[in-house]
Amino acid sequence: QKEVEQDPGPLSVPEGAIVSLNCTYSNSAFQYFMWYRQYSRKGPELLMYTYSSGNKEDGRFTAQVDKSSKYISLFIRDSQPSDSATYLCAMTSRGGAGGTSYGKLTFGQGTILTVHP
Amino acid sequence: DAEITQSPRHKITETGRQVTLACHQTWNHNNMFWYRQDLGHGLRLIHYSYGVQDTNKGEVSDGYSVSRSNTEDLPLTLESAASSQTSVYFCASSRDIQETQYFGPGTRLLVL
Repeated sequence: QKEVEQDPGPLSVPEGAIVSLNCTYSNSAFQYFMWYRQYSRKGPELLMYTYSSGNKEDGRFTAQVDKSSKYISLFIRDSQPSDSATYLCAMTSRGGAGGTSYGKLTFGQGTILTVHP
Repeated sequence: DAEITQSPRHKITETGRQVTLACHQTWNHNNMFWYRQDLGHGLRLIHYSYGVQDTNKGEVSDGYSVSRSNTEDLPLTLESAASSQTSVYFCASSRDIQETQYFGPGTRLLVL
């Protein structure tokens, strides 16, 4: 079983829809949670960054972390064709310097999202 | 503007050849990382470095090596390329451990 599980999709929605993307994880030491967006043939770029449990909102994007359930979500409101991309969740633990997970990101497989006009 | 670049962007090579992929960042970040991205696996860590002369193995390091002689560069070497190493390779850097990693544009490698 992978440490981070993410439904690869693909997910296809009409413009204006609310999109929900999710990841589950097994390592309870993870404390920092990120969502990256990756356009075709480009490198991933950071979209949202959260620490521990709770919600964070940035424009049309909301990231949620539920550490008790080991579950994170990204919501996209009023989705646009320009949101069409692969979305990758990533997480890491603080650990200790030199620890096995120190500073290293563990990624989900990525979800391919297409928003139709 | 500060940035992270990778070269070449595309590379075709033959099995058994040595290949080096370059990564250069101008942010003066201490931390640099190499990943490979394959369908169904997401991004997997190959090697990483927390500073000059420091290198560490990631989860898929077999057949790869890195060296860090300065802050700006972390070249990735495939000692003897294998078809299983056909992939898209991404370099990333970060200032501090808990801070975000910034990714380069990627190198598409095909090993025939």
